[in-house]
This record gives sequence, structure tokens and C-alpha cells, in this order.
Amino acid sequence: EDQVTQSPEALRLQEGESSSLNCSYTVSGLRGLFWYRQDPGKGPEFLFTLYSAGEEKEKERLKATLTKKESFLHITAPKPEDSATYLCAVQPRERDDKIIFGKGTRLHILP
Amino acid sequence: DTGVSQNPRHKITKRGQNVTFRCDPISEHNRLYWYRQTLGQGPEFLTYFQNEAQLEKSRLLSDRFSAERPKGSFSTLEIQRTEQGDSAMYLCASMGTPLREQYFGPGTRLTVT
Repeated sequence: EDQVTQSPEALRLQEGESSSLNCSYTVSGLRGLFWYRQDPGKGPEFLFTLYSAGEEKEKERLKATLTKKESFLHITAPKPEDSATYLCAVQPRERDDKIIFGKGTRLHILP
Repeated sequence: DTGVSQNPRHKITKRGQNVTFRCDPISEHNRLYWYRQTLGQGPEFLTYFQNEAQLEKSRLLSDRFSAERPKGSFSTLEIQRTEQGDSAMYLCASMGTPLREQYFGPGTRLTVT
């Protein structure tokens, strides 16, 4: 069964303290892996798409990486405005209409 | 505006009432998805449309739920005889070609009292 597991569930960091969020996936062939940011009471905001192992994407203080079994979202020197829930989702190669989401990691950056 | 829009943003209703939500996708996107999200969970798939055709419905979508996408443009999601368990955020997303990432609307927060 296709599955996405994110860890940790929640993470509190001091401003400037770098860390990584993990997304482990089980899928019968990967078409794409997506990262989203979601603020409370709002819809998810698209961040990155990764297609193949070894690929990396960057945006400001965020960098997403991909291996054959997991993806990491690295956050460097975070600021309080980076506080949000970060969602990971996968799209199987055989079912381009199917997107499976993880439960997310709630990130809180303390000033 | 090139984003996905949803209306209303918030809806409070009494148990047993019917509610309808609307989603306007990004204009050139032919796929439209509906999700439900509860606190601490990721979005759960409900149904999706390719143009005006509804191609798949989740087992989560009981017969009290119905969705339409007339003319392949906006979509509506109706919940009949609402129950307290229907309280959630209802999210709409659209997907363009090539079929890659989805773009979400702001969601409709439903509270059933």
C-alpha cells in the first residue's frame, strides 16, 4: 500500500537553529514528491517538486533532497516566520491522478 | 487572480442542515480535487474531476456527499443532513498539464453544531 510517513510530528527550534524534517515513503514507483507549507487556517502552499533520487531544490532557507526511500526538508537558520506545518506528498508513477499526503510536521521557531 | 478560490471561507451550520461549497480552480487546469482535512492530519482525498467528469470517489465520501463540475469550470461540493463528524476544513486543489503539483485554495472551514 502506498504510504507517506513524516517525522517528527512536531519540532520546536530556537531562531537560527538549523534542522531537518523527514518524509519516508512507500510507493510502487515514484512520479513526483511534493513539499507544501501550511499556515493555520489556510490551504497548503506549494514549495517544491522532486522527481528523482539525488535531486535537490532550494528556496530561501529551505532545501529539499530526495533519495529512493525518503526526502528531507532542511531548514537553515530559521526565523519565526518559518513556523508552519510542512506537508509531504507523493505521486505514484502508475497513477498520476493519485496524490498521497503525510500528516505533516508542525514546526515552531522561537524568537 | 490566477489562484484557486473557495467560498465561503467559513460555514457554521446546525446538524441536519445541507451545505454547499464552491471552488474556482486555476482557469487552464483541467483536474480539480476535493480533500477533507482535520486537525493534525494531512489532506484526505474525497473526489476528483477531469474536466466535467467525476473520475474517482473515496470511500470517505458517503452518499450524503455529492460533487459536481458543470462545464468543467467551477465545482461544488454539497453535504446533505450534516453531522458533527463532518466538521473539518474542506480543501480544493487544481492540477494542470503536465500532471504534477497541485495548487490549493484557502479552504472552507465547516463547523456543525
